[in-house]
Amino acid sequence: AQSVSQHNHHVILSEAASLELGCNYSYGGTVNLFWYVQYPGQHLQLLLKYFSGDPLVKGIKGFEAEFIKSKFSFNLRKPSVQWSDTAEYFCAVNAPFGNEKLTFGTGTRLTIIP
Amino acid sequence: EAQVTQNPRYLITVTGKKLTVTCSQNMNHEYMSWYRQDPGLGLRQIYYSMNVEVTDKGDVPEGYKVSRKEKRNFPLILESPSPNQTSLYFCASSPGDSRNQPQHFGDGTRLSIL
Repeated sequence: AQSVSQHNHHVILSEAASLELGCNYSYGGTVNLFWYVQYPGQHLQLLLKYFSGDPLVKGIKGFEAEFIKSKFSFNLRKPSVQWSDTAEYFCAVNAPFGNEKLTFGTGTRLTIIP
Repeated sequence: EAQVTQNPRYLITVTGKKLTVTCSQNMNHEYMSWYRQDPGLGLRQIYYSMNVEVTDKGDVPEGYKVSRKEKRNFPLILESPSPNQTSLYFCASSPGDSRNQPQHFGDGTRLSIL
């Protein structure tokens, strides 16, 4: 069975600081990897995704993530955060065939201090 | 505009009173899924459907039913709601058929069962 670990439960940063949120997964086969963001009171929005190819993927709002297969990791990064990045961030994986069930991590709450 | 629409957005009800949460998508997606979101647990899949009349259990199906009579609709039914079903529910859809497309999420339905 798939599982996803997000070790940072709550991260507090000042504006302009650099961000890295950790995500590790366990699964024996090929996976698709995602980062979703949930702003307060809103639905999940896709930040970026990895299906295959270049392991460094760029998403919306200046976010990027790197897939390191040997470490089963897909960490999210942003060089300079803004107050508007305050939200909850979820890493998720699914298998490319059959049930496309997304297995989510427990989420990381990010608070940016102006 | 491509969207997944859930109704109601909020509902407070009592134990044992049957309720239905509707989900509709306008993207002609084959795959649809229901998740519940609980603090500290992330999102967990309840049921999914890979096409009309094809549904199956996810990770936490107990106490729920679904149907998929039309491609666009995927209602979630709680026949006899209980307080442990108080949660935030999300419907999601994707093209399916292993086309490696991310899932689109609805705005969520917050259910409180008293």
